[in-house]
Order: sequence, then structure tokens, then C-alpha cells
Amino acid sequence: QKEVEQDPGPLSVPEGAIVSLNCTYSNSAFQYFMWYRQYSRKGPELLMYTYSSGNKEDGRFTAQVDKSSKYISLFIRDSQPSDSATYLCVQLRGGGSYIPTFGRGTSLIVHP
Amino acid sequence: GAVVSQHPSWVICKSGTSVKIECRSLDFQATTMFWYRQFPKQSLMLMATSNEGSKATYEQGVEKDKFLINHASLTLSTLTVTSAHPEDSSFYICSGAGLAPGRAYNEQFFGPGTRLTVL
Repeated sequence: QKEVEQDPGPLSVPEGAIVSLNCTYSNSAFQYFMWYRQYSRKGPELLMYTYSSGNKEDGRFTAQVDKSSKYISLFIRDSQPSDSATYLCVQLRGGGSYIPTFGRGTSLIVHP
Repeated sequence: GAVVSQHPSWVICKSGTSVKIECRSLDFQATTMFWYRQFPKQSLMLMATSNEGSKATYEQGVEKDKFLINHASLTLSTLTVTSAHPEDSSFYICSGAGLAPGRAYNEQFFGPGTRLTVL
């Protein structure tokens, strides 16, 4: 079992829709999570950074962590064509090193 | 702020030759740099972690003699793919971790990636 699992998609939605991207993790020892967005042939860019359980909101983006089910979600409200990209969830190893483990990413397509 | 550059952005080489990729943090000091490899439609796979002035720590299965990493300063790390073969063709991405201008915590910033094609 991979440490961080994501459905690769693609997920296709109309402009304005609410998007839900999900991720599961297996190692409950590390509680730092991140969501990155990666456009084609570009490096990833950080969207959200969360620690432990609960919600975190930043503009149209909301990140949610459910420790009991080992489930991480990213919600995008009022989705735009410019949101079309691959979204990677990341779990950070702890112990001071903060080495990331990436999910394989979910491809999102927002069509006008 | 918090820009990481990579050079070159795309390189094509013959099998058996060596290729060097540079990674620079332009406006912050990266105490740690990471090197990743990404195959098409796959996730980023961490190859190695390096701290300035120290030897790199390689992930399991990554040949340290083939992928030479040098982290000579807080703003520069290099990855040299020695005796490259077609199976080494991939997208190589570096990231720098450090306290960037305007940020409250250490964060990883990714470079734009280098596409390596080995003929």
C-alpha cells in the first residue's frame, strides 16, 4: 500500500462547480499535510498547508483533514478554467526532517 | 519572493554522456534542497535530500554514484546524471526549503523542472 493515495482522475467539471479532491494516507504518525498545484511541465506550487484535524480556508480553497478516517480533502469553490491542473496531496514526515511523501496527483479539468 | 530556478529547462544528450542540472534559490537561503524525478502522469518521487555542506541522503533504490548531488552553498545545488541512459529520461525537479521573505515558517519552493531526454 502506498503511503499517500490519490485517484488520478481526470476529474472534469463545468466552470463554477464546487470541486472535491481527496486523498488517503496510511501513516498516522505524521500530521502535516499540504496541497500543491502543478500545471503541465511546471514545478508544483503550494496551495495549502494544514496540521492535524479540522478545516483551513484560503479564498476559494478549503483543506480538510479527518484523522479518524485518514482522509484529506481539498475543496475548490466557484472553479475556474485556470484551476485546471494536477493537484498533489503531500504528507510530511516528521522528526525534524519534514521530508514530503507525494500522492500521484489528481488531474482536474474545468471547462467553460 | 521565494523563487527557485533550474538550468537548463530542457536537455537532450547521447547515451553514455553526463548531464549537470543546476538548482538555485534566488531570494532566500535554502538550508535543505530536494531532488525529485517525475515520469509522465506519475507523482514526484524523491531522489535525495541535501543540506548545505553535507553529503546528500539518497532514497532507497536511487544510485548515489549515478546521480551525483552537490550542495556547495545555501543557494546552489547541482544534480549530475552520470553515464545517462534512455531510461533516465524524465522530468527532474528540485526544491529548496527555508524561511523565505514574508513567510512565517519553513516552506518548500519548487523549481520549474528540467526535462532530460537521453537518446
